[in-house]
Amino acid sequence: AQSVTQLDSQVPVFEEAPVELRCNYSSSVSVYLFWYVQYPNQGLQLLLKYLSGSTLVESINGFEAEFNKSQTSFHLRKPSVHISDTAEYFCAVSDLEDSSYKLIFGSGTRLLVRP
Amino acid sequence: SQTIHQWPATLVQPVGSPLSLECTVEGTSNPNLYWYRQAAGRGLQLLFYSVGIGQISSEVPQNLSASRPQDRQFILSSKKLLLSDSGFYLCAWGRLAGNEQFFGPGTRLTVL
Repeated sequence: AQSVTQLDSQVPVFEEAPVELRCNYSSSVSVYLFWYVQYPNQGLQLLLKYLSGSTLVESINGFEAEFNKSQTSFHLRKPSVHISDTAEYFCAVSDLEDSSYKLIFGSGTRLLVRP
Repeated sequence: SQTIHQWPATLVQPVGSPLSLECTVEGTSNPNLYWYRQAAGRGLQLLFYSVGIGQISSEVPQNLSASRPQDRQFILSSKKLLLSDSGFYLCAWGRLAGNEQFFGPGTRLTVL
């Protein structure tokens, strides 16, 4: 069964510093990969996704993630964070061979941006 | 455009009482529907999913149940709540693999 590992439960960082949130998944079968963001007491919003093609995907607010098949990773990065980026970030994987189209989520990483 | 609603937004219930949480989707047809629970400080756990009316798949054994009486309505229920049922419940809809799931605003359930 698929599993997703987010090794860091919390990442504190100063404003304007770079950040990387790590995500590894278990299976080597074809997958789609997602990063979601959750602000306090809200639902999840899609940040970016990898379906196929270029292994580097970008969001509109400066985040990017790179799909690395050999390392089964999909780390999220931003070169300069803002206070408003403080939130919880979830990595998720969807197995292309699963007709239910379920998403398997990691345990989340809380990004805390300090001034 | 598609919209997903959940109600109530917050709920405080005593142990042993029944539960009914509702999720409705607008602007799409025949969606896959999902119920997740997010316990404090933890990730999302998939509870149930449905690929069509009356079709429910359970992911984890528990005292919760789900029903899909209409194409765009998904209900989460319990006959007797436990303390461990407390959490943030999220409903989501999706269509095809490769399309992301769209999440509702969530329901905060506290069982006392």
